[in-house]
Amino acid sequence: GEDVEQSLFLSVREGDSSVINCTYTDSSSTYLYWYKQEPGAGLQLLTYIFSNMDMKQDQRLTVLLNKKDKHLSLRIADTQTGDSAIYFCAERPGTASKLTFGTGTRLQVTL
Amino acid sequence: DAMVIQNPRYQVTQFGKPVTLSCSQTLNHNVMYWYQQKSSQAPKLLFHYYDKDFNNEADTPDNFQSRRPNTSFCFLDIRSPGLGDAAMYLCATSTTLPTQVSSTDTQYFGPGTRLTVL
Repeated sequence: GEDVEQSLFLSVREGDSSVINCTYTDSSSTYLYWYKQEPGAGLQLLTYIFSNMDMKQDQRLTVLLNKKDKHLSLRIADTQTGDSAIYFCAERPGTASKLTFGTGTRLQVTL
Repeated sequence: DAMVIQNPRYQVTQFGKPVTLSCSQTLNHNVMYWYQQKSSQAPKLLFHYYDKDFNNEADTPDNFQSRRPNTSFCFLDIRSPGLGDAAMYLCATSTTLPTQVSSTDTQYFGPGTRLTVL
């Protein structure tokens, strides 16, 4: 079955690194995504990783995938106040068109 | 700029009064999706169109319908809104459906319409 879990809340100080974690259960997941949602706004695609990769880096963002443990993480280096938002991980199993989202992690960045 | 546009951004309706939400896209994508996101919850897929081919999720209530008159536009119709239908409704598009495991099928989201039911 499909189930994606995330911790609900993370607070970090400006300039520190943030690590947002996600676990999923569907072993047929092929693509895993990270989306950012600011208050009252839609979802903004941040990055994605194909399941045959372990790591993907894109500027301040680093995605790590442990396929054996079905664990995905998003690291944000040098976190800024503008990074405050809700972060959703999502999986896409096989060739399905449907994305299954986690419940989201609210990132709070303090000065 | 190419984008996904949703109108209105905020919609208020009365209990039982039909309402239509609108989505348009300039990306010329074949696939359009409608998601429902209730407060503090994950977005949940209601249905999607691949061109004119409509695909309903099994647990989407009959109260929710959709129309796609052309590539650019897709509408969400709620025939008799209940209090439980108050939510953010997100439209998304993608180039195509994934026919291969390696297809990226990235979905691009609009800003959403927040629906209030009185």
